[in-house]
Amino acid sequence: SYVLTQPPSLSEAPGKTASITCEGNDIGSKGVHWYQQKPGQAPLLVISFDNDRPSGIPERFSGFNSENTATLTISRVEAGDEADYYCQVWDRSSGHWVFGGGTKLTIV
Amino acid sequence: EVQLVESGGGLVQPGGSLRLSCAASGFFFSSYWMTWVRQAPGKGLEWVASIKQDGSEKYYVDSVKGRFTISKDNAKNSVYLQMSSLRAEDTAVYYCARGEGYNYESFPSYFDSWGQGILVTVSS
Repeated sequence: SYVLTQPPSLSEAPGKTASITCEGNDIGSKGVHWYQQKPGQAPLLVISFDNDRPSGIPERFSGFNSENTATLTISRVEAGDEADYYCQVWDRSSGHWVFGGGTKLTIV
Repeated sequence: EVQLVESGGGLVQPGGSLRLSCAASGFFFSSYWMTWVRQAPGKGLEWVASIKQDGSEKYYVDSVKGRFTISKDNAKNSVYLQMSSLRAEDTAVYYCARGEGYNYESFPSYFDSWGQGILVTVSS
């Protein structure tokens, strides 16, 4: 089955840029989607199809996907960006949806 | 406004059964795939099952095949997850989610709306 690998944690200072990676075999050939989840809340879609922002998501959120790594970039991070972030793809070979293990972003 | 509201969770003994429901509103329910995603305590998201708009196709993660059944009632704007032979490792918050971003093969690529989640605890 298809596997997506994310770093478990990442720390960044307010105002800096946070980059969260998601690795998968030839992930660049798939559409990658990113979710933000704050404690006690349901996941929120923040990026679809590599770099599309749903309505209401700040421009500070962007994505890139190439070869074996997809990246979610959050510019000028704020305390309110502290959350768990998950990447997700649809795996055509299995017909299954796959999530990465998640990255806990801490703003220090 | 899209709303998804789960119900039916609770405490169940190992080997027992439980049926989760998800009531949808604010969109044309019969036009969408629906999905269940779960999250074990302190763990990440795990896709569990998805069902096509008309219920004609269903997909499951391997760990629940043969034990869980997803179904959809378009007349009632509801999707269900019948869970049987429950195990401790099925303990999780279960989310109902709407599929979107349909690809050229008519599968949803991502989940754009989620319910608040419902806790299922499997324990003796």
